[in-house]
Amino acid sequence: QSALTQPASVSGSPGQSITISCTGTSSDVGSYNLVSWYQQHPGKAPKLVIYEVNKRPSGVSNRFSGSKSGNTASLTISGLQAEDEADYYCCSYGESNILYVFGTGTKVTVL
Amino acid sequence: QVHLQESGPGLVKPSQTLSLTCTVSGGSFSSGGYYWSWIRQHPGKGLEWIGNIYYSGSTNNNPSLKSRVTISVDTSKNQFFLKLSSVTAADTAVYYCVSSSGYYYDYWGQGTLVTVSS
Repeated sequence: QSALTQPASVSGSPGQSITISCTGTSSDVGSYNLVSWYQQHPGKAPKLVIYEVNKRPSGVSNRFSGSKSGNTASLTISGLQAEDEADYYCCSYGESNILYVFGTGTKVTVL
Repeated sequence: QVHLQESGPGLVKPSQTLSLTCTVSGGSFSSGGYYWSWIRQHPGKGLEWIGNIYYSGSTNNNPSLKSRVTISVDTSKNQFFLKLSSVTAADTAVYYCVSSSGYYYDYWGQGTLVTVSS
């Protein structure tokens, strides 16, 4: 089972909105509303920002939102801020023998 | 709030066994409700799920690591463990211990770098 596909990089200016896609298959993203998203700053552990496609953990800014259509999930960051510059990874539960598949990762740059 | 801390050798020789411990605090380790997982990240690369364990001892492992992975738990010490046998340079990575209260990873340890080298 291959990693979920994400764009290598996405950039935006402060205040803008950006969207990161995460493409899987009908065996993972397409079959379950169990996509989560993680933010990772350099040298730090990942941090959960979205779970179950569109739910935000307590304490995560409402500028982060998630959605899904077919085999592709998306993370949108609105009102982009300098602190949002980080790597972002999606993850999906799947019905294959690899229960959890991560995305390839996207580097977000705030211009 | 659950706090996790990895510990173990930072350097392992090729063909030997990598052994890591994760100590958990702040959570109901033995009362259920959480899966305890290991995830690794190769230098400059993405995340890879290694496997998980429930407090009862039931496990799930990533088959890409074949039978090299053993995950176990000691509920009396609020700890769970990772053993990865027959390591090669390809196993050099930052290893994270993580908790899952659902189909997602909510609390992460700080990570520990394990280098496989002679």
